[in-house]
Amino acid sequence: DTGVSQDPRHKITKRGQNVTFRCDPISEHNRLYWYRQTLGQGPEFLTYFQNEAQLEKSRLLSDRFSAERPKGSFSTLEIQRTEQGDSAMYLCASSLLSQQETQYFGPGTRLLVL
Amino acid sequence: DAKTTQPPSMDCAEGRAANLPCNHSTISGNEYVYWYRQIHSQGPQYIIHGLKNNETNEMASLIITEDRKSSTLILPHATLRDTAVYYCIAISSNTGKLIFGQGTTLQVKP
Repeated sequence: DTGVSQDPRHKITKRGQNVTFRCDPISEHNRLYWYRQTLGQGPEFLTYFQNEAQLEKSRLLSDRFSAERPKGSFSTLEIQRTEQGDSAMYLCASSLLSQQETQYFGPGTRLLVL
Repeated sequence: DAKTTQPPSMDCAEGRAANLPCNHSTISGNEYVYWYRQIHSQGPQYIIHGLKNNETNEMASLIITEDRKSSTLILPHATLRDTAVYYCIAISSNTGKLIFGQGTTLQVKP
């Protein structure tokens, strides 16, 4: 299966620590998206890349959050100085440029900040 | 992007058709209707999308009213594995940023 993969699947950290998540999209997909989902809510858009360029960032993405896609392939999402409010599922998705709304999601990384 | 309204929850008997409604009365002419679902503890999964005409694929059918103010997702023979949250999204083409609402939690019962 060559779907979207995310690593790790689960992360428990203490408040104030930094965490980094990785997403490997479907290989031929130009677009890569990050979403965050809290319990009982639908996913919320965070940011997206077209190849290596980060084209849009949500206001939800505070200065503590940074995302990269250095070679237009995998992407990383880093959260610095984690807070309890960062506890959520972080979802990655990818799509073709020509079919941006048809997105393929990974299984997500569930973050718990203690 | 147009706001969508869905019932918070629905039940369906296994083997019967599940009809999930979505209201998008403010949809504009260039906005598509997309449906995704999210099975517990998994990422969302694309189901189907349409603009004006009814659409069918191996997963579901999408019926869009003539005035495009509402639509219905039909799962023709629901199984227990179709138990999930179903999201209806109205979005312009080439926007890329999906805006999810609360969705409809479909419970398929034996």
